[in-house]
Amino acid sequence: GDSVTQMEGPVTLSEEAFLTINCTYTATGYPSLFWYVQYPGEGLQLLLKATKADDKGSNKGFEATYRKETTSFHLEKGSVQVSDSAVYFCALTRNSGNTPLVFGKGTRLSVIA
Amino acid sequence: NAGVTQTPKFQVLKTGQSMTLQCAQDMNHNSMYWYRQDPGMGLRLIYYSASEGTTDKGEVPNGYNVSRLNKREFSLRLESAAPSQTSVYFCASSEQGNSPLHFGNGTRLTVT
Repeated sequence: GDSVTQMEGPVTLSEEAFLTINCTYTATGYPSLFWYVQYPGEGLQLLLKATKADDKGSNKGFEATYRKETTSFHLEKGSVQVSDSAVYFCALTRNSGNTPLVFGKGTRLSVIA
Repeated sequence: NAGVTQTPKFQVLKTGQSMTLQCAQDMNHNSMYWYRQDPGMGLRLIYYSASEGTTDKGEVPNGYNVSRLNKREFSLRLESAAPSQTSVYFCASSEQGNSPLHFGNGTRLTVT
């Protein structure tokens, strides 16, 4: 079945460091890919998405590119802030039919000043 | 601007007790979902409702029942709570099954 694998955390970075969180997927067909973020005590929020190969999703300084050849959707940010501390989830869904999202296990990011 | 509203926010149950978690969305979304979140396990889908009048099992449905009461509301019932059901439960909704999800803020449930 469809699945998402994320790098294990936690990830601890200093403010202004470069962030990469790896995400790879297994799916039939051409899924849509998502990154969600969960701040402490809250539900998940959509951070960015990409619906086809070579699409780049971006939001709040975060970027991820849909790479079909490597089945990856790595999340990057050039300069993290303390306010970026959260848990990040990679997810996918098929583009056809009513299939729920499949989530990775999440990666906790802590940014220290 | 409420989005997805879950009640209660916190609940403590004794083993064997029953309860219903409530969820309502005001975005006119067709699909609704219940997930549980456990440390190291990410989010696991319990049940979902692709449209009003339909419900389907997800990855971990055992011990739970759901009701899609109308287009807005989707409840999750634990008939006989067990300590293994201690978790944070999230309700979510989407326009359709493969659209981005909108999440509530969760219900933290402890079963002793």
